[in-house]
Amino acid sequence: EVQLVESGGGLVQPGGSLRLSCAASGFTFTDHYMDWVRQAPGKGLEWVGRTRNKANSYTTEYAASVKGRFTVSRDVSKNSLYLQMNSLKTEDTAVYYCVRCTVSPLARTGQYFSYMDVWGKGTTVTVSS
Amino acid sequence: DIQMTQSPSTLSASVGDRVIITCRASQSISSWLAWYQQKPGKAPKLLIYDASSLESGVPSRFSGSGSGTDFTLTIGSLQPDDFATYYCQHYINYPLTFGGGTKVEIK
Repeated sequence: EVQLVESGGGLVQPGGSLRLSCAASGFTFTDHYMDWVRQAPGKGLEWVGRTRNKANSYTTEYAASVKGRFTVSRDVSKNSLYLQMNSLKTEDTAVYYCVRCTVSPLARTGQYFSYMDVWGKGTTVTVSS
Repeated sequence: DIQMTQSPSTLSASVGDRVIITCRASQSISSWLAWYQQKPGKAPKLLIYDASSLESGVPSRFSGSGSGTDFTLTIGSLQPDDFATYYCQHYINYPLTFGGGTKVEIK
């Protein structure tokens, strides 16, 4: 069974740091792009960042709102995805979801258009003094 | 950045109704669009990818259409389990962006 389990959420003061983890199982972790998506209380979904697959050297992309403060990484030996969050702001308060992405069957060779097909249950981060 | 605009933001409907949700992209995204369903306190669930492909295990009453900038999600006959919030999302370039959501409520 494909499964993603997040951990590491909690209460942190503004300016602080937190590291989220996501344990992946049931699929070949190195084959897939992996995302973090967040949802502030009562709000919609916001993409945070991505790490590409092994074929694309695990390179990363970020939303402008977190670039320079957040880092997405993975440890393939542990089948784990991470989100290192530094310089946290009150507006980073949200549920953070770990998401597996799958390349579209319509993508041509060399294209990697990927949709989000498996979501974890999320972990809550609260940034408050 | 590509803006995704959903309408309506809230929709009241009855069991058995045919429901249509629209999503408009600020520029062409070809067919690189997905639809998700989210229930309160739960993670989103993929329904449709590539604008019109039904994810495995999703009931056939859900269907998607469109390409370019205009897309629709149709629920053929609304069931009690379908009352939820629906989001569209493009995946043609970065940043990936979602629509603001459409909440389907019981009439």
